[in-house]
Amino acid sequence: GAGVSQSPSNKVTEKGKDVELRCDPISGHTALYWYRQSLGQGLEFLIYFQGNSAPDKSGLPSDRFSAERTGGSVSTLTIQRTQQEDSAVYLCASSSRTGGYNEQFFGPGTRLTVL
Amino acid sequence: DQQVKQNSPSLSVQEGRISILNCDYTNSMFDYFLWYKKYPAEGPTFLISISSIKDKNEDGRFTVFLNKSAKHLSLHIVPSQPGDSAVYFCAASALGPARQLTFGSGTQLTVLP
Repeated sequence: GAGVSQSPSNKVTEKGKDVELRCDPISGHTALYWYRQSLGQGLEFLIYFQGNSAPDKSGLPSDRFSAERTGGSVSTLTIQRTQQEDSAVYLCASSSRTGGYNEQFFGPGTRLTVL
Repeated sequence: DQQVKQNSPSLSVQEGRISILNCDYTNSMFDYFLWYKKYPAEGPTFLISISSIKDKNEDGRFTVFLNKSAKHLSLHIVPSQPGDSAVYFCAASALGPARQLTFGSGTQLTVLP
């Protein structure tokens, strides 16, 4: 079956521009997460969506970052006025949240380079 | 402050031998632990997990051990195969609505033929 997909796979932008990253989760998965991985680092949690509940934005590094999830499915992560420190791989994951534990399934990521 | 630590950035093992990857954590609220494998240009792939009520979980060649008193877990791969060469991330999750994963920085495993 189809896994988590993300687009674009690569994005190069100039400092100060806005970017939008897209995530299509696994069909039927109610939980959706965004993470980012900076060079040489582990994955860092950014934001979490569960069904129609208000998102958990506790991991967003600044107010330049925002995310939406429309219709409980596709999600878009927006970074406004990009800075060079925003350069990273942005990963989306989804989970069915069955039971108390969640195994998250990751997409291939979007590599963002801010020049 | 890193709550999940993988102190070995790299590990090389001969094919057929055992690979042991280690992970330490500091947050005693973590109750679920996972290992992910990552190949270049791909997202992490779930490998194996363990709940804090257990001390061992086995799946084929992969076994995860949890020592709660030491706040330490390890992943054993036996026998190691060249296709196991990848970056391995340890991750942990605490009770709560989000259950977001906190990741270590990863260990690059190279299995030599």
